[in-house]
Amino acid sequence: SYDLTQPPSVSVSPGQTASITCSGDELGDKFTCWYQQRPGQSPLLVIYQDTKRPSGIPERFSGSNSGNTATLTISETQAMDEADYYCQVWDGPTTAVFGGGTKLTVL
Amino acid sequence: EVRLEQTGAEVKKPGESLKISCKGSGYSFSTSWIAWVRQMPGKGLEWMGIIYPGDSDARYSPSFQGQVTISVDKSIRTAYLQWSSLKASDTAMYFCARRWAIEASAYSPRDAFDVWGQGTMVTVSS
Repeated sequence: SYDLTQPPSVSVSPGQTASITCSGDELGDKFTCWYQQRPGQSPLLVIYQDTKRPSGIPERFSGSNSGNTATLTISETQAMDEADYYCQVWDGPTTAVFGGGTKLTVL
Repeated sequence: EVRLEQTGAEVKKPGESLKISCKGSGYSFSTSWIAWVRQMPGKGLEWMGIIYPGDSDARYSPSFQGQVTISVDKSIRTAYLQWSSLKASDTAMYFCARRWAIEASAYSPRDAFDVWGQGTMVTVSS
């Protein structure tokens, strides 16, 4: 089975840039999605196809994917961005894989 | 508006059976895969399986194969997740999510889960 590894936690100061990584074997050959989950809420898609933002997601959210690492970058981080973030890829046509999640703290 | 509406919270005893539901609206239900995702208390997202409402083709994560059953009734636009004998370790929040077909194909590695239900909390305790 395919594994995705994320750091358990990342901290950032308000207004600074946060980077959350997701690592996997030859991950750059796959398409990575990112989901934001605020406490008590359902996950929300913030990046798909490595770099694309769904309608309504602020431009502050961006993504990249190369080699063995995909990165979610949040620029000008705000208090409302404090949440858990999960990466996800497809390992085969109908098998989804999630990373373990990263807790972003804005302090 | 595209929506997935899930069953309310359930409290069950070990050994009991349970079926929770996920009703889709605002889109072509039959042509979008529906996935089930588990989140144990304080833990991350775990993919359980997925079903195609058009032909009821269900696929399971090896971790959940044989432990749960995923089914669908496309006539009422509803997907289901069921257990025949619950265990305390099944206590978790369960989400359904729509697989968004980025390309006009049955499935693509570009696809994402673009719409999520509000979650169903299942508590199993004696």
